[in-house]
Amino acid sequence: QKEVEQNSGPLSVPEGAIASLNCTYSDRGSQSFFWYRQYSGKSPELIMFIYSNGDKEDGRFTAQLNKASQYVSLLIRDSQPSDSATYLCAVVGGLNDMRFGAGTRLTVKP
Amino acid sequence: DTEVTQTPKHLVMGMTNKKSLKCEQHMGHRAMYWYKQKAKKPPELMFVYSYEKLSINESVPSRFSPECPNSSLLNLHLHALQPEDSALYLCASSHRDRTYEQYFGPGTRLTVT
Repeated sequence: QKEVEQNSGPLSVPEGAIASLNCTYSDRGSQSFFWYRQYSGKSPELIMFIYSNGDKEDGRFTAQLNKASQYVSLLIRDSQPSDSATYLCAVVGGLNDMRFGAGTRLTVKP
Repeated sequence: DTEVTQTPKHLVMGMTNKKSLKCEQHMGHRAMYWYKQKAKKPPELMFVYSYEKLSINESVPSRFSPECPNSSLLNLHLHALQPEDSALYLCASSHRDRTYEQYFGPGTRLTVT
């Protein structure tokens, strides 16, 4: 069974702080990695994707990938209360089958 | 434009009913997906269509029947469902050949009574 693991949280950070979300995966053949944000009662929204080892930055978000360690992370700088949501790590294997982690619930306190 | 639309937004059906969920995208994506999401759980993949052909069926019960009439449309036909099938049903699409980023529709909230 190909697994994607995340800490379920909740993770609580003060407004303006850096939120760090982590994810590990078991399938060494995985090539594509995604972070989705899901507000309660809404559908997942793609916020970052990364395919190569290293860092990828987009505004306040940075995705980090280490394939040797089978680890992917998401950093949110200058966290805002509107960032409060569940963050889903997703990994795509060779059959284009996306597997999600259980999600980490983030709360940003004003 | 990264819009995927789904209808209806909400559906209540009895266990003997037949209903269909619809999904549409006009982004030129050639892969489309159905997911099921229960409360406080991640989405679970049900079906994948690639170039209008079913490529993945995650051992979903036959009371769920997918259909892809053309590259823009995806249906999920429902028949003889059970109360435990109540969930949020999500459709997604992606460019099959270029990227694997999947864009989700708003979902259909299904309640089986």
